[in-house]
Amino acid sequence: DAKTTQPPSMDCAEGRAANLPCNHSTISGNEYVYWYRQIHSQGPQYIIHGLKNNETNEMASLIITEDRKSSTLILPHATLRDTAVYYCIVRVFNSGYALNFGKGTSLLVTP
Amino acid sequence: DAGVIQSPRHEVTEMGQEVTLRCKPISGHDYLFWYRQTMMRGLELLIYFNNNVPIDDSGMPEDRFSAKMPNASFSTLKIQPSEPRDSAVYFCASSLGPGTAAGYTFGSGTRLTVV
Repeated sequence: DAKTTQPPSMDCAEGRAANLPCNHSTISGNEYVYWYRQIHSQGPQYIIHGLKNNETNEMASLIITEDRKSSTLILPHATLRDTAVYYCIVRVFNSGYALNFGKGTSLLVTP
Repeated sequence: DAGVIQSPRHEVTEMGQEVTLRCKPISGHDYLFWYRQTMMRGLELLIYFNNNVPIDDSGMPEDRFSAKMPNASFSTLKIQPSEPRDSAVYFCASSLGPGTAAGYTFGSGTRLTVV
């Protein structure tokens, strides 16, 4: 699986958009980008995933650059409940099927 | 759907004792994973099963750890004998096979303290 790089921490004001970057410069053509988050004392929670097109669901949007070497997870209107550690994971869609979580980005949403 | 159910939520035991953690995956999910989380090492995959069969146990730290999945609705992770360095939060997760858009569903975890 390709290695990912995320900033260790970020702040965001409540109600504003939170943009969480992830670099994955060694990503290969058949690897997807997954995002999970872990709220304190809970298990990780799936957010979204994509291959090369931008994706949106009820939780977030995922923007993947054209060269696929980086991506951004966007929480359009962050709330205090979005305070969590966000993990960007890159892996082949259906091989091995074990996700390796790195250190992630600790997002603090402030009032 | 009740989600992935883990028990107990908290476990405090003395060094040398046997500890058994339990997990009930989501009905219909054919993959089950055991993870361990500590401050120092983050989330580590210990072992995972597909259709009740262990596929990769390379993350199991040593022979003191064992995991079983006797049927599609139940799995255990056993530590015998337990040591203080085993103190961590243990998560169980389940998923459908490759190709699902839903990814993993994690349980609430078992916080293990070995004193």
